[in-house]
Amino acid sequence: EIVMTQSPATLSVSPGERATLSCRASQNVNTRLAWYQQKPGQAPRVVIFGASNRATGIPARFSGSGSGTEFTLTITGLQSEDFALYYCQQYHDWPLTFGQGTQVDIK
Amino acid sequence: QVLLVQSGAEVKKPGASVRVFCEASGYTFSGYFIHWVRQAPGQGLEWMGWINSNSGDTKSAQKFQGRVAMTRDTSIRTAYMDLSGLTSDDTAVYFCARVFFKDTSAGWYGYWGQGTLVTVSS
Repeated sequence: EIVMTQSPATLSVSPGERATLSCRASQNVNTRLAWYQQKPGQAPRVVIFGASNRATGIPARFSGSGSGTEFTLTITGLQSEDFALYYCQQYHDWPLTFGQGTQVDIK
Repeated sequence: QVLLVQSGAEVKKPGASVRVFCEASGYTFSGYFIHWVRQAPGQGLEWMGWINSNSGDTKSAQKFQGRVAMTRDTSIRTAYMDLSGLTSDDTAVYFCARVFFKDTSAGWYGYWGQGTLVTVSS
């Protein structure tokens, strides 16, 4: 099983600042990596797929990078609606696995 | 637009079984894989398995093999997830999710159901 490790667990950022979230895979997943945003009481929503592709309707302030085992989600100019929980997911091999999440909080 | 609408919350006793359904609309049902993902209270996301809406073939995580059954009824565009032998550890929100690309088993989820809370308590 590919283990996905996210860091940090919690990230406190001021509105307008940049947030950098990390995700590490225990094995090579190429670019078969997605990022999801989840708000309380809601289903997750895809933000990034293929490691660096923004999903439809996702603002340009969200960007993803990386390949292999190291990935980053960057949110520049954080807006109030961006404060949420973020998960990475690999879809390279079975079972599909998620990271444990990074909570982005208002500083 | 694509919609996945799930059944309502359930309360079950330990040892019982639960069925969650996921009704799809807005796309050709048989062309896509439906996955099931669960989230225990305050915890992360856990992949359970998928069903090929066209063939009915399924694949489940080893952890759930023997306890989970995934089926579908193409006539009413609905996928089902049955989980048996419930324990308190199965208390979670269960989501159905559709892989974005057609005829692709492993992929990212472009669409999610709203979630179904299953509470297991004596």
